[in-house]
Amino acid sequence: TQLLEQSPQFLSIQEGENLTVYCNSSSVFSSLQWYRQEPGEGPVLLVTVVTGGEVKKLKRLTFQFGDARKDSSLHITAAQTGDTGLYLCARLTGNQFYFGTGTSLTVIP
Amino acid sequence: NAGVTQTPKFRILKIGQSMTLQCAQDMNHNYMYWYRQDPGMGLKLIYYSVGAGITDKGEVPNGYNVSRSTTEDFPLRLELAAPSQTSVYFCASSWTGGNQPQHFGDGTRLSIL
Repeated sequence: TQLLEQSPQFLSIQEGENLTVYCNSSSVFSSLQWYRQEPGEGPVLLVTVVTGGEVKKLKRLTFQFGDARKDSSLHITAAQTGDTGLYLCARLTGNQFYFGTGTSLTVIP
Repeated sequence: NAGVTQTPKFRILKIGQSMTLQCAQDMNHNYMYWYRQDPGMGLKLIYYSVGAGITDKGEVPNGYNVSRSTTEDFPLRLELAAPSQTSVYFCASSWTGGNQPQHFGDGTRLSIL
């Protein structure tokens, strides 16, 4: 199965708080991409992780790829209202990308 | 830079009608993709193309057809619209396959009544 489970499905937090969202699979994947999608727009790539245990940072966003390459997490430090959006993970199999169902994040000012 | 352009942005169809969703990219990308996004369901790949003249099925191809006569254009055709095809459709492109970033259009919101 290509199923990617993302949790939580919805998250509402106050500005300045920290949060973590997760992307899990029952099977190993070779790489994983994280996207952010704002209402009325297409997803925009944030990062690609390819190595088990890899950690990548993008300003206040920290992405981690699990050692067993079955899971990944996205941690946001000191969330801002501009972080509001739908966060999607996607795995590549052959030429096809399989997306998770996403985490909808709302940051309240 | 235009990037990936999708037209129309919104459309309402009656059951059984047909239509073509247009997608064009000006980045000279080889790979192009069509996805549909249903509420709470993430994105599912309908069809993709690795170059002009080459197309292949994705995860949910039934009810759709595509063609890729040029590098720039990748239209998606619905022949007999059904209510189950009500969705938001996204076109994307990338330079090559693998982990190359996909660049998405802003989507076409399609309702079939």
